[in-house]
Amino acid sequence: GDSVTQMEGPVTLSEEAFLTINCTYTATGYPSLFWYVQYPGEGLQLLLKATKADDKGSNKGFEATYRKETTSFHLEKGSVQVSDSAVYFCALTSGGSNYKLTFGKGTLLTVNP
Amino acid sequence: DTAVSQTPKYLVTQMGNDKSIKCEQNLGHDTMYWYKQDSKKFLKIMFSYNNKELIINETVPNRFSPKSPDKAHLNLHINSLELGDSAVYFCASSQGRERTTEAFFGQGTRLTVV
Repeated sequence: GDSVTQMEGPVTLSEEAFLTINCTYTATGYPSLFWYVQYPGEGLQLLLKATKADDKGSNKGFEATYRKETTSFHLEKGSVQVSDSAVYFCALTSGGSNYKLTFGKGTLLTVNP
Repeated sequence: DTAVSQTPKYLVTQMGNDKSIKCEQNLGHDTMYWYKQDSKKFLKIMFSYNNKELIINETVPNRFSPKSPDKAHLNLHINSLELGDSAVYFCASSQGRERTTEAFFGQGTRLTVV
């Protein structure tokens, strides 16, 4: 079946530090890959996505590249802000009649001023 | 205007009670979902409905019964609540089920069973 493995947190950084959150996946089909973000007390919001190999998703300074050869979709940001503190989820879907998002366990990011 | 809205946001109830969580989406989507987030933040799908038809039922106890009166609504009824049902329940929706489709989530309902 499909599965997503992302680095365990929590991750604590100082403002303006570089962020990487690793994500690797196993999928039976050809998945699309997503990063969702959950701010404290809120629901999940789509941060970015990539639907085919070598695609780069980007939003709000975050980037992730769909690497089929390494089955990875690592999230990066060059300079984090306090407002980026949240839980980040890597997810995939292979679509079709059984469409569902399969999530990683989430990584809590705390950015200190 | 909230795209996917759930009520209530918080629900505290005693073991053995029956409770419902309501979900509505105004995005015109044809597919809706319930996800459960446990205390460690792990998210797992419970149910999926497409055009009011049950598509996915992921080994959820029979005490959980989803109901979709129309495409815009997916409610979750839980009978005989147990301590282990305490979690955050998220409703979501999507348009279609292509692999490129993204899902939109509600703000969650935090259920606490005491």
